[in-house]
Parts: sequence; structure tokens; C-alpha cells
Amino acid sequence: DGGITQSPKYLFRKEGQNVTLSCEQNLNHDAMYWYRQDPGQGLRLIYYSQIVNDFQKGDIAEGYSVSREKKESFPLTVTSAQKNPTAFYLCASSIGGYQPQHFGDGTRLSIL
Amino acid sequence: GDSVTQMEGPVTLSEEAFLTINCTYTATGYPSLFWYVQYPGEGLQLLLKATKADDKGSNKGFEATYRKETTSFHLEKGSVQVSDSAVYFCALSALGNYGGATNKLIFGTGTLLAVQP
Repeated sequence: DGGITQSPKYLFRKEGQNVTLSCEQNLNHDAMYWYRQDPGQGLRLIYYSQIVNDFQKGDIAEGYSVSREKKESFPLTVTSAQKNPTAFYLCASSIGGYQPQHFGDGTRLSIL
Repeated sequence: GDSVTQMEGPVTLSEEAFLTINCTYTATGYPSLFWYVQYPGEGLQLLLKATKADDKGSNKGFEATYRKETTSFHLEKGSVQVSDSAVYFCALSALGNYGGATNKLIFGTGTLLAVQP
């Protein structure tokens, strides 16, 4: 079955460390996205990519970085510059245009 | 800028009750509108969508009608079940320059629905 796979499901970060969250899709979608979800809030866009080797900042990109070297992969790095990284991170993909986005099951990041 | 406003939860209902979750939006042009559902510990699943005024999206007994005159997209279900307990998000697709779709979704804050047997 086609879908989006996020790993790991739970991730712990020490102070001053960078961590990378994986997102892989086999839906052959061009566009991919990273969102952050905090309790009681909606989803906020971190980065998105509409095509391989290109990506744009979303609303809360500071302290995060991404790459898009392959169509099916869009990893997110949470850097030590992100001072409040504890959140639920969701990856999504879409064909593009007005088409719906498909979501992975998320990665929950916590600080040790 | 574009925005989505949802009624605050939690919404607590008894099984077989009628459900309405209000959603209004602010946007330039004619965005597409979506309802997503999130079950505990999971990602979001598309529940239904509407792409133009007066369109009605429907799925699994849920319905929502794109009302341009009231800028609303309220979610309804005639008879809820315990298995419908989840967080529901209203969202719109943000338009880029010249009205083209940018693939960006703007979400409401979500409404928690709790259905009791």
C-alpha cells in the first residue's frame, strides 16, 4: 500500500544536539511538507518542497533545516538553535495544486 | 492574511446525537476547503473536501457545504458513534500570487469531539 512513513515514532534529544526526523513517501507525490503540532494549537508549517532540490520556508522555519535530494524523501533536522523543540511533528505529501495532503503518523520529539 | 476559525472544544455528545462543528474562514479568492480527523497518537486523515462554492463534501456520514456568502464550512453528522471520538481540523488551501494554489494548508486549532456511550 502507498503511504507516508515517519520514523522514529518517539525521539529524545539532549540539549545542544541536532536530531533528524525521517519522512519517506511512495505515493509519487511531488510536494512534501513538515508541520509542527503543539497541544491546543493547529498545525504550523515549518518547511515545504514542491520539487526535488527545492524547498521553501514556512511560518516557523527558524531552528529547522531540510533537504530534498530524492522525490520520495524529505528529512527534517531540528537543530540546537530551536529552543523549544518538544512537539509532535507531522510530514505530509500531495500531488500539488488544490489536491489534499496525505499525512504520516508523526514523530513525537522530547527533550531529555 | 488567510485564516481559519473553529469552535473551541471539547464537544461532548452522547451516542446517536447530532453533531455540528463550526468553521469559518478568511481568504482572498476561492480556496479549497477541507476537514481532517486525527485519532489519538496518529497523523491526520482527510475526511472530506470541497473545491468551490455550494459544493458539498461527504464521507462516512459526515457532511460539510462550502458557503461563500457566510465564508463557512461547518461539519455535520446526523448520528455520532463512540468511534467518531477524535480531533477534527478545518483547513483551507492558501493561494499564492495571482491566485494560483501554493499547496500550503492553513489549519484551524482543532476541535476535540468526545462521544459517550
